[in-house]
Amino acid sequence: SQELEQSPQSLIVQEGKNLTINCTSSKTLYGLYWYKQKYGEGLIFLMMLQKGGEEKSHEKITAKLDEKKQQSSLHITASQPSHAGIYLCGADVKTSYDKVIFGPGTSLSVIP
Amino acid sequence: NAGVTQTPKFQVLKTGQSMTLQCAQDMNHEYMSWYRQDPGMGLRLIHYSVGAGITDQGEVPNGYNVSRSTTEDFPLRLLSAAPSQTSVYFCASSRKLIRGEYSNQPQHFGDGTRLSIL
Repeated sequence: SQELEQSPQSLIVQEGKNLTINCTSSKTLYGLYWYKQKYGEGLIFLMMLQKGGEEKSHEKITAKLDEKKQQSSLHITASQPSHAGIYLCGADVKTSYDKVIFGPGTSLSVIP
Repeated sequence: NAGVTQTPKFQVLKTGQSMTLQCAQDMNHEYMSWYRQDPGMGLRLIHYSVGAGITDQGEVPNGYNVSRSTTEDFPLRLLSAAPSQTSVYFCASSRKLIRGEYSNQPQHFGDGTRLSIL
């Protein structure tokens, strides 16, 4: 089973609506990363969160890290068709060496 | 300003063949990793390296081999290709992750290699 879970698995929203994607870890979160991937393309780095309670925004996308809940949320305000794609959360895992693992992704479609 | 370069972009193999996916970065990053992406599975870590001469297994290492002889290159070898290895492969690099400190760095990704095994 994956250590990072994302919900929902997929999302279809009307243009202009707000939406939230969640990323939950079974272990303590250290570095938490959000990436976006357009279908059939590579990954675009969105934001990195490092401390509990940290919140970052970029244009209409806001991400927050809740250390106690071992969870991060990504919120999009007034969605646009350009927001469509797959959103992936990644996290640092402390093992023998530090490594970065990813969740299964959330597929977002925005209907004009 | 190349970043992370993966070759080839597309490849079709027959079952049992071997091949090497190439990954090179020009940012002097210590940390490099290989992921595979399958529908509904997100990115799954195959192998990673924290520096030249140091590699470790990720979540799905079976059937793959890696080595890190230089900082710049991190090739992924498929020993005997199987249809289950049909996937999109991504290579990534970042500055070194430092345990216990809030100094993590986001990874830079290559454009991916689309591999089909017949």
